[in-house]
Amino acid sequence: QVQLVESGGGVVQPGRSLRLSCAASGFTFSRDAMHWVRQAPGKGLEWLAIISYDGNKKYYADSVKGRFTISRDSSNNTLYLQMNSLRFEDTAVYYCARPLIVGALASWGQGTLVTVSS
Amino acid sequence: ELVMTQSPATLPVSPGERVTLSCRASQSVNNNLAWYQQRPGQAPRLLIYAASTRATGIPARFSGSGSGTEFTLTISSLRSEDFAVYYCQQYNDWPPTITFGQGTRLEIK
Repeated sequence: QVQLVESGGGVVQPGRSLRLSCAASGFTFSRDAMHWVRQAPGKGLEWLAIISYDGNKKYYADSVKGRFTISRDSSNNTLYLQMNSLRFEDTAVYYCARPLIVGALASWGQGTLVTVSS
Repeated sequence: ELVMTQSPATLPVSPGERVTLSCRASQSVNNNLAWYQQRPGQAPRLLIYAASTRATGIPARFSGSGSGTEFTLTISSLRSEDFAVYYCQQYNDWPPTITFGQGTRLEIK
């Protein structure tokens, strides 16, 4: 079955960087676009970014454009989110997700918590 | 900027009740609309996509309807496991961006 496992979260100071990973299994990773979504404590869901199946196209939410970079390594079935210039408001649980069709997100990881704190 | 607005924010309900949740888009999203359920401490779960198609394994008591700017999620007879937060979400074909509503929490009356 489809499995997505995020890692790389933790406590980081404002202005620093962090890279999240999402290990995928149970499907042909190289054929699917992938997304990152986050959820601040006690808040709703916020879409962050999408990467095409081949890694050639990437789109970002305005809130992270220019600071976050989505990428993938299909040889390792892994999705990444490079987060630079982190801010307090980036504190959240970060999920990777696989779409069923277009943007309907059928499979989610368990999430990894990023805490930006001085 | 596309905005998805859900109402109400919180809805007190009793088990066995029929519940209708609303989601409005600030501009037409055609039928590119999904609904998710999120229980405390869990990742969201896809319930409905393309406005009215149930995802795999979703019970028939969940149904979606609407198109354009007005959408609804109906739970025909609430069960205890349905007390959760529900999010609507629109998705564009191109560019493939996504916008979530702010969520509706079902709480026990």
